[in-house]
Amino acid sequence: GENVEQHPSTLSVQEGDSAVIKCTYSDSASNYFPWYKQELGKGPQLIIDIRSNVGEKKDQRIAVTLNKTAKHFSLHITETQPEDSAVYFCAASPPGGFKTIFGAGTRLFVKA
Amino acid sequence: EPEVTQTPSHQVTQMGQEVILRCVPISNHLYFYWYRQILGQKVEFLVSFYNNEISEKSEIFDDQFSVERPDGSNFTLKIRSTKLEDSAMYFCATYGQGDGYTFGSGTRLTVV
Repeated sequence: GENVEQHPSTLSVQEGDSAVIKCTYSDSASNYFPWYKQELGKGPQLIIDIRSNVGEKKDQRIAVTLNKTAKHFSLHITETQPEDSAVYFCAASPPGGFKTIFGAGTRLFVKA
Repeated sequence: EPEVTQTPSHQVTQMGQEVILRCVPISNHLYFYWYRQILGQKVEFLVSFYNNEISEKSEIFDDQFSVERPDGSNFTLKIRSTKLEDSAMYFCATYGQGDGYTFGSGTRLTVV
């Protein structure tokens, strides 16, 4: 079945450094790739997404890149801050929006 | 900002009892979902609902689970006879064109 692999499972960076989280997906029909931030005790919050007709998207300190050929997509956070500490999930969704498959999550620690 | 509202925030139930988890979707969203997250694990897709019927479901969503929109606004998940392994956070999500997915803050279900 469909699968999304996410790496690393844990990432620790110094404040101000960049953080990169990588995902691969198996379903070549997937065309929507959201990233979620989940803080303790809360539901996942959409932070950025990208569709398959775009290779890169940026929103302030957050950027996402997509390589459809390799079925890879990545989240880049620049100038990290302690409040960026959370669990980040990548996800992939096929056309129609009926089902989203999540990666296993990356726990990001930003040390002040 | 529009929200997906879930009630209750925490439900404790005896094994074998029925539970109903409730969700109020964002008003103009047409796609509704339930996801499950066992403590410390990834978010898992349970079921999607569109046009008053299930559009897709996962292997987790067996005969013990059901969903409905009883009054056209609430979206409910029912577990008929709860098992210990049903203990998890249950997230409702809705999808709207241009908004992407929005998750509720979840219901923590504890089966004892």
